Amino acid sequence: KAGVTQTPRYLIKTRGQQVTLSCSPISGHRSVSWYQQTPGQGLQFLFEYFSETQRNKGNFPGRFSGRQFSNSRSEMNVSTLELGDSALYLCASSLQGLGNNEQFFGPGTRLTVL
Amino acid sequence: DQQVKQNSPSLSVQEGRISILNCDYTNSMFDYFLWYKKYPAEGPTFLISISSIKDKNEDGRFTVFLNKSAKHLSLHIVPSQPGDSAVYFCAADSGGGADGLTFGKGTHLIIQP
Repeated sequence: KAGVTQTPRYLIKTRGQQVTLSCSPISGHRSVSWYQQTPGQGLQFLFEYFSETQRNKGNFPGRFSGRQFSNSRSEMNVSTLELGDSALYLCASSLQGLGNNEQFFGPGTRLTVL
Repeated sequence: DQQVKQNSPSLSVQEGRISILNCDYTNSMFDYFLWYKKYPAEGPTFLISISSIKDKNEDGRFTVFLNKSAKHLSLHIVPSQPGDSAVYFCAADSGGGADGLTFGKGTHLIIQP
């Protein structure tokens, strides 16, 4: 079974721009969660999508948004980029979603904001 | 306020010996705990998990112990192998999953030959 894939793997943007990241979950998994990893804050939960609906959301500003398609693929969008948005963005898929279920992570997208 | 803490940023262990990685948590609503391993330039890989109704879970060389009264869990790796060198993250989940997984900041395990 193919694992979680994320595209692109690396991205460089400038302040004020917007960016869209993509995540394809493991086949059959309906839940996709997004996390931000920075050296200072570690891994922090952004949001979770399940069957095309945002089910849970972490404590991030509205500039961070996402969506999920009928094939469970998910996109995350960050608008008006700030320098502090530079991070590794990880997505994770699971069969049944958050709540006592293992999540399987993709390799991440490394975003650098200049 | 960090709800999941891994107080050792790094740990060095000789090959063949036991590696013990520790994790403390403060939120009593957490009822499911996971350990992930991460190599550079890769996403975290799930290792082992434990439900709060248990105090021990074993999978091959990996054993996780949970002490609910102390709000403490530990991951034991026996015997340690060179391929175990990686960053290990402890993560916790509250049943409803509303906050996603809450991660510790990780412990860098170095296995020395």
